[in-house]
Amino acid sequence: SQQGEEDPQALSIQEGENATMNCSYKTSINNLQWYRQNSGRGLVHLILIRSNEREKHSGRLRVTLDTSKKSSSLLITASRAADTASYFCATFSGFQKLVFGTGTRLLVSP
Amino acid sequence: EPEVTQTPSHQVTQMGQEVILRCVPISNHLYFYWYRQILGQKVEFLVSFYNNEISEKSEIFDDQFSVERPDGSNFTLKIRSTKLEDSAMYFCASSEALRTGRTEAFFGQGTRLTVV
Repeated sequence: SQQGEEDPQALSIQEGENATMNCSYKTSINNLQWYRQNSGRGLVHLILIRSNEREKHSGRLRVTLDTSKKSSSLLITASRAADTASYFCATFSGFQKLVFGTGTRLLVSP
Repeated sequence: EPEVTQTPSHQVTQMGQEVILRCVPISNHLYFYWYRQILGQKVEFLVSFYNNEISEKSEIFDDQFSVERPDGSNFTLKIRSTKLEDSAMYFCASSEALRTGRTEAFFGQGTRLTVV
């Protein structure tokens, strides 16, 4: 399988705390992307990190990529209740195809 | 901001019936995709489409499925004879070019298909 695997599967934290989600994948990649999905809704792109990058920031998001370990992490700092959602990593497999991981369900309590 | 739109938002159909799910990708995008998500499960790739032909498809995308870009703006997914296990949320997405790493995929809000 070329899917990404996320851990933890579920994460429950308090507002203001940081949330860290990890993703592992199996194939070489051009880039790795993180998406967010609110319950029953579409996927929203959060951040893209290229294979030659090691870290990237966007607002309260920080993504790291370790291609030697085939892993990535997404850190959300100072979390808010509105961050409650499922988070997915996605990588390339084949010519033009994003392959999604299993996702992490994040619950941020006020 | 440009967005991918999907219609209908919810479709209920009887087993064995044909359904067509419709999508309007972002106008300057070149690559189009269908994904599905069975309730509570992962997002699964179905098919990618470029230059008016399928560029890749998964093992899920069997002969019951077809895609079409009939008029230069719409992108449709047809399921010829629906089965109960086709019940899922179907997402359309489009992008300029994923492989080069220049951009991301934009997803529609999905069509919830319920087969009864």
